[in-house]
Amino acid sequence: SQQGEEDPQALSIQEGENATMNCSYKTSINNLQWYRQNSGRGLVHLILIRSNEREKHSGRLRVTLDTSKKSSSLLITASRAADTASYFCATVRSSGGSYIPTFGRGTSLIVHP
Amino acid sequence: DGGITQSPKYLFRKEGQNVTLSCEQNLNHDAMYWYRQDPGQGLRLIYYSQIVNDFQKGDIAEGYSVSREKKESFPLTVTSAQKNPTAFYLCATQGAGELFFGEGSRLTVL
Repeated sequence: SQQGEEDPQALSIQEGENATMNCSYKTSINNLQWYRQNSGRGLVHLILIRSNEREKHSGRLRVTLDTSKKSSSLLITASRAADTASYFCATVRSSGGSYIPTFGRGTSLIVHP
Repeated sequence: DGGITQSPKYLFRKEGQNVTLSCEQNLNHDAMYWYRQDPGQGLRLIYYSQIVNDFQKGDIAEGYSVSREKKESFPLTVTSAQKNPTAFYLCATQGAGELFFGEGSRLTVL
């Protein structure tokens, strides 16, 4: 089962514009994370936001979390061609002492130079 | 270099054959995971292990098997019972709340 679902599935923008991706999930979480994947490569961790946090920044990245709406957004400001990649949200739940990250289908971002 | 090494990067298999994908880590992390990625479907959890000699089924464990005899190693066997094994397989460890991924193994069934 896929806990998180990203929206939109694909996003195409010009360099310098901002890119916003959204993630919705269904059950309670411990934290929510965003990852980036270049084509044919492994995923790279971008940022983690805990369930008691509402907003977090890291460089050009801004993540928000609304637990009442069970949703999160990732904003990439002043995008660059090198930001072209797929972006995934991962929701993390604990079950019987286990730490289980569940991924959505991702948003494919293309940034045109 | 600290990290996760997956091998082989590309693997071709005939129908009816078992294949084993290797995942080795030197991050000293207890938790390890195997995910399968198909186009348009994101990552789906196959198996995970929180500690040596213990592992749990994920959402799509049928047709797969794993072992965790050493902390550093978490190999995945794709058995002939897996009806649609062609996919990109990703191994990950968990440390300080975040996942660290290998570069993946792409399996193609001929």
